[in-house]
Amino acid sequence: DSGVTQTPKHLITATGQRVTLRCSPRSGDLSVYWYQQSLDQGLQFLIQYYNGEERAKGNILERFSAQQFPDLHSELNLSSLELGDSALYFCASSLPGSRYNEQFFGPGTRLTVL
Amino acid sequence: AQTVTQSQPEMSVQEAETVTLSCTYDTSESNYYLFWYKQPPSRQMILVIRQEAYKQQNATENRFSVNFQKAAKSFSLKISDSQLGDTAMYFCAFNTDKLIFGTGTRLQVFP
Repeated sequence: DSGVTQTPKHLITATGQRVTLRCSPRSGDLSVYWYQQSLDQGLQFLIQYYNGEERAKGNILERFSAQQFPDLHSELNLSSLELGDSALYFCASSLPGSRYNEQFFGPGTRLTVL
Repeated sequence: AQTVTQSQPEMSVQEAETVTLSCTYDTSESNYYLFWYKQPPSRQMILVIRQEAYKQQNATENRFSVNFQKAAKSFSLKISDSQLGDTAMYFCAFNTDKLIFGTGTRLQVFP
C-alpha cells in the first residue's frame, strides 16, 4: 500500500458526459501528479500540482482540468468524454526535496466511456 | 526532448533463470533519477529500483540490479532467480521534475 488513495476504482459513463476523479496523497506529500494509461500503453503525464498551485503540464487535453485543494487532495475533471478517453488514470504523490523525488502511485481509477 | 526507449516489447524467462530488460534514455540534464516500475496484472505501479545519475555505483535491491551506463544513457534491469510473481509489465522511467515512462516490456516467467 503506497498511502495514496484514489476514488472511485471503476467508473463507467457515456460519451459527452463529465466525471471527477479524486486523489488523496500520502501524508506529508505536497505534490500530486496525474497520469493516463491507455490500453497496453505506457503512462502519459498529464499535470502536476504543488501545494495547491499548478506546477507542470503535460499532454493534458483542454477538456480535462485539475485542481489541488487546501487539504492537498486533488481532483481531475474530465468533460465531453470521448471513447478514446477510456483509460486507467493514476495519481501519484511526492515530497519535493526528498532524496530521489520518487513518486508513489495510487491504485488508479479505471474509466470506461461507452 | 526527453525520451525513454524500451526496445523489447515482450520477454520470457524460465523460473530461477536471469533476465535483463533494456532501457535507453535521452536527456541534456546532468542530474536526474532513473527508476524501474513493475505493473502486475493488478495494474498497481510498484517501484522496483532507483538510481541517481551522479552515482556511479549500480543500485541493487535483492534479486533486482541495474547496469547504469551514463555515457551511453543506458539503464538496464537484471532480474536474478526469476520467480513466477515477477510476471508483469516493467516500465523504465526518467525523472527530473516529472516522470517520463518508456512503453514497457511485458515479462512472462514460465515454470
